[in-house]
Parts: sequence; C-alpha cells; structure tokens
Amino acid sequence: DAKTTQPTSMDCAEGRAANLPCNHSTISGNEYVYWYRQIHSQGPQYIIHGLKNNETNEMASLIITEDRKSSTLILPHATLRDTAVYYCIVSSSDSGGSNYKLTFGKGTLLTVNP
Amino acid sequence: DAGVIQSPRHEVTEMGQEVTLRCKPISGHDYLFWYRQTMMRGLELLIYFNNNVPIDDSGMPEDRFSAKMPNASFSTLKIQPSEPRDSAVYFCASSFYARGNTEAFFGQGTRLTVV
Repeated sequence: DAKTTQPTSMDCAEGRAANLPCNHSTISGNEYVYWYRQIHSQGPQYIIHGLKNNETNEMASLIITEDRKSSTLILPHATLRDTAVYYCIVSSSDSGGSNYKLTFGKGTLLTVNP
Repeated sequence: DAGVIQSPRHEVTEMGQEVTLRCKPISGHDYLFWYRQTMMRGLELLIYFNNNVPIDDSGMPEDRFSAKMPNASFSTLKIQPSEPRDSAVYFCASSFYARGNTEAFFGQGTRLTVV
C-alpha cells in the first residue's frame, strides 16, 4: 500500500471550513484515496473516497490534485461533533488478493473549537 | 440492517486465559476485517477474509492469535493464552466489494483488558 502523510493535529473554529491535507506521493494508478474518521471510543466511519476527480457528498468534499500526489478533505461548516481523528488511506481497487485492504496511519486529530 | 455487531463490548480476563471475540458482519458483505487499536500502535489490521477465506494474516502478532470465519455470518478472533499486552480495543469491519468502492463498516469494538 502507498503510504500517506498527515499533520498530527489541527484546530478549526466552529462554523468555519476545515481543510485537512494528505500527501500520498507514491500512489499508484489503481489506488483510490479514502477518508475515514474516528470519534472518541467509536469505530471508524467512512466519509468519502475518490480516484482522480473531485468528489462531494453530504458529509464532505474531496479535492485531489491533478498529479494525485496529495488531497484535501473539506468539511464546509465544521461543528463540535466533527472533532475526531481523520484518516487518509490509499487502497487498491483491484478485486481480491492482498491489495484490497485498508491500512490506517496515525491520522489527524481535528479539534473544532466553539 | 443493524450494522456490524461485536460481542462482548467489554471483556476483562486474567493472564493466561483464553479469550474469544465475536463478530457478525453486515448481511451480503464479502469482506471481513479484524483490527486492534492501542494508544501506542494505533489501528492495526490483523487479518482479513474474502468469502470466508483468510486472505492476509500478516498482521496477526503471534501464534497465540487465531481467527476463523466458519460462515458468511460469523467470525471469531481467539487469543490463547492471553497476556496483559493484548489489552486493546478490537474492531471488526465488513465491506462489499465493488470496483472503486472499499467502504468498510465498523462495529463498536470490544475493549479487552487482560490483568
């Protein structure tokens, strides 16, 4: 699996946009970028994923650079409940085999302040 | 669907005892993952299954750990004998493979304490 690099922690004011960066410079052509988050003491929760186009859903937007070596997760209007550890993961889209797995790094602790 | 169900939620056992953690994946999912989380090591993938067959167990720490998936609805992770360093939160997750979509659903975890 390609490795990812994320800042250890970030702060954001409630109601403002939270922009979480991720570097994945060794990503290969068949690997997707996934974002998960983990609120304290709960299991990780899927947020969004993408290959090369920008993606948006009800939770967040994902911006992937043209060279695919980095991405940014955007929470448009952060709330206190968005305080969590956010994980950026790259994973192969190939079916079966040992490439199909989610390997979590340390993630970014996002703290949303009132 | 009730989601991924893990049991027990909490387990306290004495060193040397056998511990069995259980997981019921979401119906129809063909992948099942076992993770362990500690403050020191973060979230580690232990083993995962595809259609009940173990695909990659390279994350299993040692022979004291074993995992089985006898059918599509049930998996177990067993530790025998248990040691204090096995204390952690163990998560089970399941997913349905579709090209380009690896959305995994996690259970609430089992908090294991070995004393």
